[in-house]
Amino acid sequence: SYELTQPPSVSVSPGQTARITCSGDALPKKYAYWYQQKSGQAPVLVIYDDSKRPSGIPERFSGSSSGTMATLTINGAQVGDEADYYCYSTDSSGNHRGVFGAGTRVTVL
Amino acid sequence: EVQLVESGGDLVQPGGSLRLSCAASGFTFSSYAMTWVRQAPEKGLEWVSAITGTGNNTYYADSVKGRFTISRDNSKNTLFLQMSSLRVEDTAVYYCAGGILDVWGKGTTVTVSS
Repeated sequence: SYELTQPPSVSVSPGQTARITCSGDALPKKYAYWYQQKSGQAPVLVIYDDSKRPSGIPERFSGSSSGTMATLTINGAQVGDEADYYCYSTDSSGNHRGVFGAGTRVTVL
Repeated sequence: EVQLVESGGDLVQPGGSLRLSCAASGFTFSSYAMTWVRQAPEKGLEWVSAITGTGNNTYYADSVKGRFTISRDNSKNTLFLQMSSLRVEDTAVYYCAGGILDVWGKGTTVTVSS
C-alpha cells in the first residue's frame, strides 16, 4: 500500500526555521496537504495543493513540492507552533484512497 | 459558521456494531466530498473512508473494507459511518472532515473492548 514518509521529530529554537519533509512516490502527480494537530485538538489544515495557505493561517507557514518530496516550512517558529504535523495525499493508482504520513512532532524550545 | 459535529461513539464489545453520525452546518453539504479519519490512542491519523458529494461513489481503507459502510443523507446534511464486526484495533477517535479536509469536527470516541 502507498506510504508517505516523515521524520518523527524536528526541534528548533524560537525564531528559527523548521522544515518538515514528506516523501512519497506519487507526489510528482498528486498534491500534498499539511495538517497541524495540537494536543487534544482536531487537526487544522495549514497548507493545501502543495503550497497554498488557507485564510487565517500565518504567513510563516509555507509549502513546496519537488519530485517525490513535499516540504512544510515554518519561518520564525514560535512556541505556539509546537504540534504534530501530518502530510496527506492520495496515491496515483486511481483508487481515490487517502493516506497520511506518520506525523512529525515539532518542538520549539 | 461552518461546523461538523460527530456523535454515536460508545464502548462496544468485539464483533459488535456501531453507527456514527456527523451533522454538518454552515455550508452546502451536498457539494462536498466527506471523509472519516480516525486516530487510535497515542497514534497518528488514519484515513478510513470517503464519499462523493452525491453519495454515488465510496472509498475505503483496506483495514475497514467489508466491515464499514459510509453513507450520507444530503436532505439532512448528515454523514454516517456504519461499523460492524468491530475489532479492538478499531478503538480510536473518529473525525469527520469535509472537502479537502479543510473542515473537521471535534471527534467521537469509539472503544472496542470486552
